[in-house]
Amino acid sequence: DAGVIQSPRHEVTEMGQEVTLRCKPISGHDYLFWYRQTMMRGLELLIYFNNNVPIDDSGMPEDRFSAKMPNASFSTLKIQPSEPRDSAVYFCASSGTDGEKLFFGSGTQLSVL
Amino acid sequence: GESVGLHLPTLSVQEGDNSIINCAYSNSASDYFIWYKQESGKGPQFIIDIRSNMDKRQGQRVTVLLNKTVKHLSLQIAATQPGDSAVYFCNGGSQGNLIFGKGTKLSVKP
Repeated sequence: DAGVIQSPRHEVTEMGQEVTLRCKPISGHDYLFWYRQTMMRGLELLIYFNNNVPIDDSGMPEDRFSAKMPNASFSTLKIQPSEPRDSAVYFCASSGTDGEKLFFGSGTQLSVL
Repeated sequence: GESVGLHLPTLSVQEGDNSIINCAYSNSASDYFIWYKQESGKGPQFIIDIRSNMDKRQGQRVTVLLNKTVKHLSLQIAATQPGDSAVYFCNGGSQGNLIFGKGTKLSVKP
């Protein structure tokens, strides 16, 4: 298995632009998680899905952030409009039916200028 | 609310020495704990886990100790190597309780 696949690896955009981050979880995993990592705040949970249904989005910073999971093999995290303070590394992770041990992707390094 | 935190944000050890990274948790109902290692430029990776019915579990060069009385767990790395340099996270991983925080940075001096 190729593991959790995220794209792009790096994204540089200007303030106000829409940013879409993509994730393909490990096949057969029922849980998908989006995290954001910064030096100041560490690794923060933004949202997670179970069987494609959003379960907890309390970590999503504000309405500019949205996440979808249209099917079991794909999820997106969208920021519209982006702001410089959104600059961070965004990780996607998935886990099996026990919802415990997480497998992380390599992350997307987002820079908003 | 539940939380999992770390006593020390940074730890510097000499190559060949043993490392001990500590972690405290607040929810006494937590029954499963995981340690992750994050190397520079990568996502966190699973190292070892332990369930609450155990107080010790050993892997290759790593040992996790769980003290439920004081709600504390530790990760011990034997004969620390340069490749062990990373950020380590403990996680009280029950469904929906996936808090990582900042982790502990381990630096290995040659």
